[in-house]
Amino acid sequence: QSVLTQPPSASGTPGQRVTISCSGSSSNIGSNSVNWYQQLPGTAPKLLIYSNNQRPSGVPDRFSGSKSGTSPSLAISGLQSEDEADYYCAAWDDSLNGVVFGGGTKLTVL
Amino acid sequence: EVQLVESGGGLVHPGGSLRLSCAASGFTFSSYSMNWVRQAPGKGLEWVSYISRSSSTIYYADSVKGRFTISRDNAKNSLYLQLNSLRDEDTAVYYCARGAGVVAPDYWGQGTLVTVSS
Repeated sequence: QSVLTQPPSASGTPGQRVTISCSGSSSNIGSNSVNWYQQLPGTAPKLLIYSNNQRPSGVPDRFSGSKSGTSPSLAISGLQSEDEADYYCAAWDDSLNGVVFGGGTKLTVL
Repeated sequence: EVQLVESGGGLVHPGGSLRLSCAASGFTFSSYSMNWVRQAPGKGLEWVSYISRSSSTIYYADSVKGRFTISRDNAKNSLYLQLNSLRDEDTAVYYCARGAGVVAPDYWGQGTLVTVSS
């Protein structure tokens, strides 16, 4: 059971906008910034969003992050087939003294 | 370009030991905290351990506390994870991942597979 909660799956058609939610508590998301990662099949996780809503250089602006209270979300607009991957949210947890992850959301592009 | 390259994985019997290494380049290693994160086959990500820039602060997940030891050598730009008393459930790809203090990691290595099996 993951400390952060994500839906196990999400889907959309090419060109659509999809949103992936993540929920936590005051000890993690409520007091620390959230990162989002994309993991393509057979590869290492790649940073997609950091500090709740910042994109590293090279990440398309189709990807955006937001955070309201303890419920951050990742939005992907103009969905493309290459976006099919697993997506994880993560944050530091002040009570556990460690990084906590969501269970991951498998995105399918129909 | 930030690069993290793990090595040292392999097949080990239950109760055995292994030492993982992570070679860092492309950034000032001593200025960043580091983490180990693992992923069991077909499962999600699980944080394993954290070490601060100077090794003064170290944290472990409860699942590995007392069995795993994290360390670093800033002169060699290297991170290590000593795995002792290995169990079947420790089977996973182990990633080293860069942090910037007590935050979720940014850059990740490609991972090294540890298989615990008799």
